[in-house]
Amino acid sequence: DVKVTQSSRYLVKRTGEKVFLECVQDMDHENMFWYRQDPGLGLRLIYFSYDVKMKEKGDIPEGYSVSREKKERFSLILESASTNQTSMYLCASSPPGPDTQYFGPGTRLTVL
Amino acid sequence: QKEVEQNSGPLSVPEGAIASLNCTYSDRGSQSFFWYRQYSGKSPELIMSIYSNGDKEDGRFTAQLNKASQYVSLLIRDSQPSDSATYLCAVNGGGGADGLTFGKGTHLIIQP
Repeated sequence: DVKVTQSSRYLVKRTGEKVFLECVQDMDHENMFWYRQDPGLGLRLIYFSYDVKMKEKGDIPEGYSVSREKKERFSLILESASTNQTSMYLCASSPPGPDTQYFGPGTRLTVL
Repeated sequence: QKEVEQNSGPLSVPEGAIASLNCTYSDRGSQSFFWYRQYSGKSPELIMSIYSNGDKEDGRFTAQLNKASQYVSLLIRDSQPSDSATYLCAVNGGGGADGLTFGKGTHLIIQP
């Protein structure tokens, strides 16, 4: 079974803090993704990566950055957290091409 | 901007009946289509994928794709209370590692 894990299920941070969300997959997938999910807005793509050290902006990259130093690990960074970044963050991975994406359990981030 | 439209519901269906969930998409170049189920507080879980016109059946689930009409549907036969969840339609534009574009989901309630 594909397993995607995320470092925290729940996280509370203060405005202005730097926040790291970690995602690890164990299926040797090339592609990894970060989404956020908000009521009424659905799932929106923040960033994705198709290879180590490669990254591409999604639909809502502002206020976020990413890092992929190893194939299995994809990190989402909030350089200076703001209250409008309070959300559920979901990581996913997939094999090459437009294939099925497998999701991690999610991190519910609250920024106070 | 790619768009995926779903009726938000709630869609209420008696136990044992057929639940029919619908989705339309804007990008004619879309190649891959997915249905995910999401229970409250959990991450999306893949139910079905479909890549070519027609029907695809897997147990109680049938996905239907009509690329000419830009329409995807999911039928759930013999609906069970455990099928109560939000169902997300997702579309991939094809090629490369682009992230999925999700609809906002249809909330399905199966009435015992």
